[in-house]
Amino acid sequence: QKEVEQNSGPLSVPEGAIASLNCTYSDRGSQSFFWYRQYSGKSPELIMSIYSNGDKEDGRFTAQLNKASQYVSLLIRDSQPSDSATYLCAVEGYGSYKLIFGSGTRLLVRP
Amino acid sequence: GAVVSQHPSWVICKSGTSVKIECRSLDFQATTMFWYRQFPKQSLMLMATSNEGSKATYEQGVEKDKFLINHASLTLSTLTVTSAHPEDSSFYICSALSGGSTDTQYFGPGTRLTVL
Repeated sequence: QKEVEQNSGPLSVPEGAIASLNCTYSDRGSQSFFWYRQYSGKSPELIMSIYSNGDKEDGRFTAQLNKASQYVSLLIRDSQPSDSATYLCAVEGYGSYKLIFGSGTRLLVRP
Repeated sequence: GAVVSQHPSWVICKSGTSVKIECRSLDFQATTMFWYRQFPKQSLMLMATSNEGSKATYEQGVEKDKFLINHASLTLSTLTVTSAHPEDSSFYICSALSGGSTDTQYFGPGTRLTVL
């Protein structure tokens, strides 16, 4: 059973702090990894994709991938109350475009 | 950016009726689309993969005769929930696979189905 694991949270951080979200996956053959943000009652919105080991930065967001440890993370710098949402880690199965989603981590940014 | 629309955004129907949900890629062609279902406080569960011009492939445990999928063009996939029952009430979300060198899925806004 291919799995993607996330801490459900909530992760509570003060405004302006760095929020760190983590994800582990079981399929060693996975090559593509995604972070989506989902507000309550809305559909997921793509934040970042990462394919190679290391860091990938886009504005206030940094995705980190370590394939040896089967670990993906998302850092949000200068967190804002508008960042409060559920963050979904998604892993593409090897040889397939299908995404396996984690259960999501709820982030709460306190003003 | 890639835009995916869904229609309707919400629907309420009586038990036993059928409901059709449309998913359109507005500014790109998508040979592959996906249909997900999300129950409250749960993550997205893939129901089926919709391929243009061919039959959809369903995930284990999803009844293909209950959830009919048609991908008639490169920009449109439809999901029909046949003989809907209250347990089918859920948030149905489609995604379209972008072409080119990336394999990113872009999600539609979702359709909230309530079966009375």
